[in-house]
Amino acid sequence: RKEVEQDPGPFNVPEGATVAFNCTYSNSASQSFFWYRQDCRKEPKLLMSVYSSGNEDGRFTAQLNRASQYISLLIRDSKLSDSATYLCVVNMDTGRRALTFGSGTRLQVQP
Amino acid sequence: EPEVTQTPSHQVTQMGQEVILRCVPISNHLYFYWYRQILGQKVEFLVSFYNNEISEKSEIFDDQFSVERPDGSNFTLKIRSTKLEDSAMYFCANRGDLETQYFGPGTRLLVL
Repeated sequence: RKEVEQDPGPFNVPEGATVAFNCTYSNSASQSFFWYRQDCRKEPKLLMSVYSSGNEDGRFTAQLNRASQYISLLIRDSKLSDSATYLCVVNMDTGRRALTFGSGTRLQVQP
Repeated sequence: EPEVTQTPSHQVTQMGQEVILRCVPISNHLYFYWYRQILGQKVEFLVSFYNNEISEKSEIFDDQFSVERPDGSNFTLKIRSTKLEDSAMYFCANRGDLETQYFGPGTRLLVL
């Protein structure tokens, strides 16, 4: 089983649509969870951290289900500028431990 | 948002040559990381560095790779004898006391 697994997409949605991405992780001891966004040939940029209680930042909502080892990202009212690859990222341990990346889910928002 | 910078942005080299990739971290962020991303693949961890020593490395980070902070500020990744399969985007990342890692813009390495 992959450490962090995502549906690669692509998800093609019209502007204004709501889209949801899912991610599962294999290590139940994982400590921290993030969604990063990556534009073509650019660096990953932090979109938001994911907390057990769920968190929202504008049009973006992230949820974590530790029992199912499942993370989600919901984007409401999609904009053209949301087109990117969304990376599910997990820190398997605290301290100096590296991030483990999923392969990403590609989103294409169309006019 | 804090900014990590990297140089060069692009590097083309011949197989067997040495390359040094440089990173200027965020001031007071003491945890350093190198990741790589082969075209079309996921981001992969190479090495983490803290308190002037390697704290963790992946199986990718073999004897051909080394890291250091030569002047106490910049953070470098050296590949001693490049191979074709080293062609990738190399990202430096940096974090402070919180969990968030900030990534530099990357160096695109092409080995011919």
